Amino acid sequence: DVKVTQSSRYLVKRTGEKVFLECVQDMDHENMFWYRQDPGLGLRLIYFSYDVKMKEKGDIPEGYSVSREKKERFSLILESASTNQTSMYLCASSFRGPDYGYTFGSGTRLTVV
Amino acid sequence: QQQVKQSPQSLIVQKGGISIINCAYENTAFDYFPWYQQFPGKGPALLIAIRPDVSEKKEGRFTISFNKSAKQFSLHIMDSQPGDSATYFCAASGTFGYQKVTFGTGTKLQVIP
Repeated sequence: DVKVTQSSRYLVKRTGEKVFLECVQDMDHENMFWYRQDPGLGLRLIYFSYDVKMKEKGDIPEGYSVSREKKERFSLILESASTNQTSMYLCASSFRGPDYGYTFGSGTRLTVV
Repeated sequence: QQQVKQSPQSLIVQKGGISIINCAYENTAFDYFPWYQQFPGKGPALLIAIRPDVSEKKEGRFTISFNKSAKQFSLHIMDSQPGDSATYFCAASGTFGYQKVTFGTGTKLQVIP
């Protein structure tokens, strides 16, 4: 069964900590994405990557960075966690092309205290 | 700027009824319109998608209606079942560039027996 795996289901971190969220896909997808999901705001794109070592800013990149050293792995980094980054984080991947949908992971619920 | 507007935010439908979720978009470069279904504790999953060269697409009990001139599209769930209770996201993307998807804010559907 093909899938996108996010390393943690729940995380609690302290303000100011550096936080790493890991995502791995086994579908040989070129594109990978990080979204955050908040009630009433839907899914907002943080960063995406269309190839190894390539990255593009999404709609809300402030306070985040990403790393894609291997095709199957895409990491989201919170350089200095803040309470307003408490959210559900979703990783997704897709083939490159107009008619391919996204495959999402189950999400990481991050709480920053 | 919200490029895909979705309504209603929540919806309660009787079992056997029709659920209707509406979306409107602004960017005329969008030409791929998927719908995603998300159950609690899971990531969104692609449900059905449409391109603007057709006005309707049906898959089982799920139908997308598309009005290109009005820049609107909607999801109809016929014979709604309690198992359809989930959050539904409409989305849109272009077929040029890296095809990143813009999501609506989501509709929480509850189908009551």
